[in-house]
Amino acid sequence: GNSVTQMEGPVTLSEEAFLTINCTYTATGYPSLFWYVQYPGEGLQLLLKATKADDKGSNKGFEATYRKETTSFHLEKGSVQVSDSAVYFCALSGFSSNTGKLIFGQGTTLQVKP
Amino acid sequence: DAGVTQSPTHLIKTRGQQVTLRCSPKSGHDTVSWYQQALGQGPQFIFQYYEEEERQRGNFPDRFSGHQFPNYSSELNVNALLLGDSALYLCASSEDRGNQPQHFGDGTRLSIL
Repeated sequence: GNSVTQMEGPVTLSEEAFLTINCTYTATGYPSLFWYVQYPGEGLQLLLKATKADDKGSNKGFEATYRKETTSFHLEKGSVQVSDSAVYFCALSGFSSNTGKLIFGQGTTLQVKP
Repeated sequence: DAGVTQSPTHLIKTRGQQVTLRCSPKSGHDTVSWYQQALGQGPQFIFQYYEEEERQRGNFPDRFSGHQFPNYSSELNVNALLLGDSALYLCASSEDRGNQPQHFGDGTRLSIL
C-alpha cells in the first residue's frame, strides 16, 4: 500500500550545522510530496511541497527535491537555528484513487542546541 | 485572514461518553479533512468532507462520524469513547481544485479517563 518512511529521531545538531532528514515513499501513480513542521503545542504548518519528479520545493532555507528514481524526498537545510527545533513530517497525496488525503510518515524530532 | 480554527482546545471525557469537536476552515476553502494524531506518531486520516458529504474515509470504525455545514464548517463526533481515542485531533482545510495543500488548525487535545 501507499506509505511514507522517515528516518528515526531525535536528530540533535548544533546551531549552524547542516541538516538532512531522509524520507522515502511507496505510492501508485504520481503523488505530490510535502514536508510539514509541528512546533510544540501547535498544529502542522506546510513547509514546502513538490508536485512532480525533479521539482525542488523550498522555503525558509529548507529544500527538498522530488526524486522519482529513488522514491525519495529528503529535507535539507544548510545552517540550522535553535528556532528550527520541531517535529518534521514527510507526507504524500494525489496518488491514484484518492481525493487529496495525506499519508504521513511517523515524524522526525529535530533538536538544535546553541 | 483567519486560518483554520478548532474548538475546544482541550477536552477531558470518560470511557463510554460521546464527544463533538468543531472546525472552521480557512476562508475560501471548501474541503475539510480530519486526522487523529496519537502521541509520538504521524497524523492518521479519518475522513474528508466536501459539499456536505463524506467523500473519503480512512480506516476508522463507525463510532467516528462527521458533518459539514453549508458554510463549510465541520464537526467530528466520536461515540462510545475508548481509552485509545486519546489523541490530538486535527482539522485541515483546502480548496477542491487539483492537488491543493491542506492547511491545519492547532487541534483539539482529547483525553479519555
